[in-house]
Amino acid sequence: GAVVSQHPSRVICKSGTSVKIECRSLDFQATTMFWYRQFPKQSLMLMATSNEGSKATYEQGVEKDKFLINHASLTLSTLTVTSAHPEDSSFYICSARRDVDEQFFGPGTRLTVL
Amino acid sequence: AQTVTQSQPEMSVQEAETVTLSCTYDTSESDYYLFWYKQPPSRQMILVIRQEAYKQQNATENRFSVNFQKAAKSFSLKISDSQLGDAAMYFCAYAGAGSYQLTFGKGTKLSVIP
Repeated sequence: GAVVSQHPSRVICKSGTSVKIECRSLDFQATTMFWYRQFPKQSLMLMATSNEGSKATYEQGVEKDKFLINHASLTLSTLTVTSAHPEDSSFYICSARRDVDEQFFGPGTRLTVL
Repeated sequence: AQTVTQSQPEMSVQEAETVTLSCTYDTSESDYYLFWYKQPPSRQMILVIRQEAYKQQNATENRFSVNFQKAAKSFSLKISDSQLGDAAMYFCAYAGAGSYQLTFGKGTKLSVIP
């Protein structure tokens, strides 16, 4: 149990287009999901906390108008990178909180913006 | 703000030997959780072990154990009988009991020498 999926696993897009990444908890309900960004050979940086039915909370320095997060149900959160540019190329990882102190991670999405 | 420091960017260990990865953290909170995550080349984050701050007993999971020194704010990971499959990036992480948001260290790349 406690499986989290992400789709797509890889995406290549042209500069200026928008990309949507889905994060699903497959066998549990997650009231809270988190979105992270990881640059090559670096650690995970928390971008935002997504709560079902409410607006996401963004970390300092993360543009909420650029990284739109929607947590429409207890099993689905989406991250949309709007008007993507090459500097947005990165590895995006989501996690879903099942229990009080445990998060389960998705396999990540590699975004390349040309 | 909480910070997590991993002072060893890279470590290596001979197969079947024991290795210890270091982690220190800084917090003003009294109730929190500490984690070690493994990230293999697939980049899937895998929980290795976790520790509740209120528990004095060090957590153990098979070949993995921690040395939790609350007063010193130290949380090291010991891997016994190292196996080739242990080769990965290891991240130490902190989560406050209220927010459950993870703050990661920069990671330690562990190589296992056959």
